[in-house]
Amino acid sequence: SQQGEEDPQALSIQEGENATMNCSYKTSINNLQWYRQNSGRGLVHLILIRSNEREKHSGRLRVTLDTSKKSSSLLITASRAADTASYFCATANQAGTALIFGKGTTLSVSS
Amino acid sequence: ETGVTQSPTHLIKTRGQQVTLRCSSQSGHNTVSWYQQALGQGPQFIFQYYREEENGRGNFPPRFSGLQFPNYSSELNVNALELDDSALYLCASSLRKNRGLDEQYFGPGTRLTVT
Repeated sequence: SQQGEEDPQALSIQEGENATMNCSYKTSINNLQWYRQNSGRGLVHLILIRSNEREKHSGRLRVTLDTSKKSSSLLITASRAADTASYFCATANQAGTALIFGKGTTLSVSS
Repeated sequence: ETGVTQSPTHLIKTRGQQVTLRCSSQSGHNTVSWYQQALGQGPQFIFQYYREEENGRGNFPPRFSGLQFPNYSSELNVNALELDDSALYLCASSLRKNRGLDEQYFGPGTRLTVT
């Protein structure tokens, strides 16, 4: 079963706008990770936030984590056409051997 | 771009055949994981190899098997292919640490089509 579930499933915005994606998960975690996938290619690691962190920044990315609500959000500021991709959150399984992904949010940024 | 490579890029097979997919891990990484991604879905964990031994397995039947070699490259073998095996197969390498599962580095994937 899916551990993380992203919301919304699809998001369309204009260049320069901000994009916010949310992720909910079910069990306790050590960390939560966000990945990007361009059109059926491999996944690229964006950012990792540990369970004792509440917010983390990387360039135009800001990730928040609320362990009490078992949720995370990914904010992309000043979006560009090149940000068009699918975005996945992932958490580790209980054995710590695998990442469990949601179905992803498909972001479309038009110029 | 990560240092993880996969071959072939695309593959077309017939139901019932067998297939071998290959992955070369990023330098310095000792763990390789394989994932299956159906169209419109997130990746699903198949198994992980650490020091040439299977170190965890997802909900996939035994006809999905793998190998990890001393140079940390890896193979995914699928026997008796079924139409539902059509998917993007992703290999991911990482450096195993004691503090849990950190970021994984994915290859570009192999697109398998079973007809």
